[in-house]
Amino acid sequence: QVQLVQSGAEVKKPGASVKVSCKASGYTFTSYGISWVRQAPGQGLEWMGWISAYNGNTNYAQKLQGRVTMTTDTSTSTAYMELRSLRSDDTAVYYCAREGVGATRGTFDYWGQGTLVTVSS
Amino acid sequence: SYELTQPLSVSVALGQTARITCGGNNIGSKNVHWYQQKPGQAPVLVIYRDSNRPSGIPERFSGSNSGNTATLTISRAQAGDEADYYCQVWDSSSWVFGGGTKLTVL
Repeated sequence: QVQLVQSGAEVKKPGASVKVSCKASGYTFTSYGISWVRQAPGQGLEWMGWISAYNGNTNYAQKLQGRVTMTTDTSTSTAYMELRSLRSDDTAVYYCAREGVGATRGTFDYWGQGTLVTVSS
Repeated sequence: SYELTQPLSVSVALGQTARITCGGNNIGSKNVHWYQQKPGQAPVLVIYRDSNRPSGIPERFSGSNSGNTATLTISRAQAGDEADYYCQVWDSSSWVFGGGTKLTVL
């Protein structure tokens, strides 16, 4: 069965960086893209960006350009999201999600369990 | 940037039909996807490409999309349907989510 398992909660100080991992299993990792979506406390979903696990191409949300980097390690079927220069409003649950293919292309058909990142001095 | 507008909340009596709207400029020309999110859980895809249900999603969930409004319809609402619902589209090389609607089953 498809699973996306994310790394544990993080507490960071303003200005620091955080790197969240997302380990995939149950499917061919390089056949799908991975998006990252975050959700601030009590707020809605915000798409952060996407990476192709096939060739590493990326597409970042304009709002986060310059602060976010998404990478993959195909040897371990793991995707990573690094966010730099953290601010208090980056406090959120961060999700990885697999982009569907074929009929479900453009959807996020499987999600990780989420990683809480807290930015506080 | 493209904006999707959802009502903050919708209430429905147990066993009745709930309709959650998602407004956007000419949204009828786009593929709309819907997600259900229960407290403390990750979102789950419930409708893709306007009106298609992934396997495992009850037939009570349906969708439509025309003009400037897409609609998620939940028939015979159950207590377990109480959740936040988000619409999503692809626009200008970005995925966009609506602000979310909290469905309360009375």
